[in-house]
Amino acid sequence: GQQLNQSPQSMFIQEGEDVSMNCTSSSIFNTWLWYKQDPGEGPVLLIALYKAGELTSNGRLTAQFGITRKDSFLNISASIPSDVGIYFCAGQYPNTDKLIFGTGTRLQVFP
Amino acid sequence: DAGVTQSPTHLIKTRGQQVTLRCSPKSGHDTVSWYQQALGQGPQFIFQYYEEEERQRGNFPDRFSGHQFPNYSSELNVNALLLGDSALYLCASSPGQGVFGYTFGSGTRLTVV
Repeated sequence: GQQLNQSPQSMFIQEGEDVSMNCTSSSIFNTWLWYKQDPGEGPVLLIALYKAGELTSNGRLTAQFGITRKDSFLNISASIPSDVGIYFCAGQYPNTDKLIFGTGTRLQVFP
Repeated sequence: DAGVTQSPTHLIKTRGQQVTLRCSPKSGHDTVSWYQQALGQGPQFIFQYYEEEERQRGNFPDRFSGHQFPNYSSELNVNALLLGDSALYLCASSPGQGVFGYTFGSGTRLTVV
């Protein structure tokens, strides 16, 4: 099935460090979403972006909707142990409710 | 306020069997979408139900079918199970069509042996 290109695939960082991950697509999206998924749980929405160029923050998280509408990035500042999990980007095609997900970034935070 | 509820949480089926998974949407939500998440992958869109009708469908065979009831709850049915159908099946509900307010359940882990 179709998935967006998400990088890096995994990250191992020390507590307090900043994290950056991004997502690219060959298609234009109306909406970019960033989710976090913990083991045995469904994805939980972190940030939603609805407009090209939009920069949105949610606490220590910041995400941007690329100008070309084909990419997005997520930054996490001053990471803490509870940031551990898998982060997914997702894009919504124009005129559909279908979300296309990225391949995921697995984040490990060491004390 | 209960979120999206899915049942069962886990089940094991034999190849060739049929399975039904259930989803109760979050209170106030009337649209249900189903996703399949294979191990190590992102979720893949199966279909969406709104007003008791299938509105949109992803690239899944006809073995995958669904239903939405008047109370907005939904079922996902998979016939003639294949080993490759083993995955986490996620239900997401939203208030009306669109992805605003999209909320996922914890999923049903299906293992086909």
